Amino acid sequence: QQQVKQSPQSLIVQKGGISIINCAYENTAFDYFPWYQQFPGKGPALLIAIRPDVSEKKEGRFTISFNKSAKQFSLHIMDSQPGDSATYFCAAKGVETSGSRLTFGEGTQLTVNP
Amino acid sequence: GAVVSQHPSWVICKSGTSVKIECRSLDFQATTMFWYRQFPKQSLMLMATSNEGSKATYEQGVEKDKFLINHASLTLSTLTVTSAHPEDSSFYICSAPAGIATYEQYFGPGTRLTVT
Repeated sequence: QQQVKQSPQSLIVQKGGISIINCAYENTAFDYFPWYQQFPGKGPALLIAIRPDVSEKKEGRFTISFNKSAKQFSLHIMDSQPGDSATYFCAAKGVETSGSRLTFGEGTQLTVNP
Repeated sequence: GAVVSQHPSWVICKSGTSVKIECRSLDFQATTMFWYRQFPKQSLMLMATSNEGSKATYEQGVEKDKFLINHASLTLSTLTVTSAHPEDSSFYICSAPAGIATYEQYFGPGTRLTVT
């Protein structure tokens, strides 16, 4: 079964610091890797995504780093703010899967202290 | 990004009754929609894939007779929890790919179901 493993489970960062969340996958048959942000009681919101032909993608304060050989990808949040406090999920889409079916990581609860 | 809505946002029902949750894509058409359930402090668990014009595909362990899915149009999918029990209380979320040419998938705001 395809799996995506996410770490850490929880993360506390000071305001202005860098938040780093890591994900690793076991199957090479993934071709799309999104990150989602979820606030309590809300649905996940697409934050940023990357495809395996790119090693890094940056959008504002959010950067995805992708290491295809290590089967790992990570989310970096620069200049972390208290408003970034949320749960973050990495995900991956299988090459053979139709309709954009995603496999999710376990989630990381980020707390940014003021 | 594309917008997906859900209705209701929260519902309380008595054990043994049925509850219907609607998922709509507001500004795009979705031939496929996904239904997830999420327990507190846990990840999203895919329940089923809803396909417009055909039967839904259920994940292993999900009772198809209990969680009825109907993809009535290119913008609407419904999930009906039949004969609800307290253990069905959860956060139900739908999602839809924004289009054939993109992998981007957008989620609804979720529906909190409480069965008493």
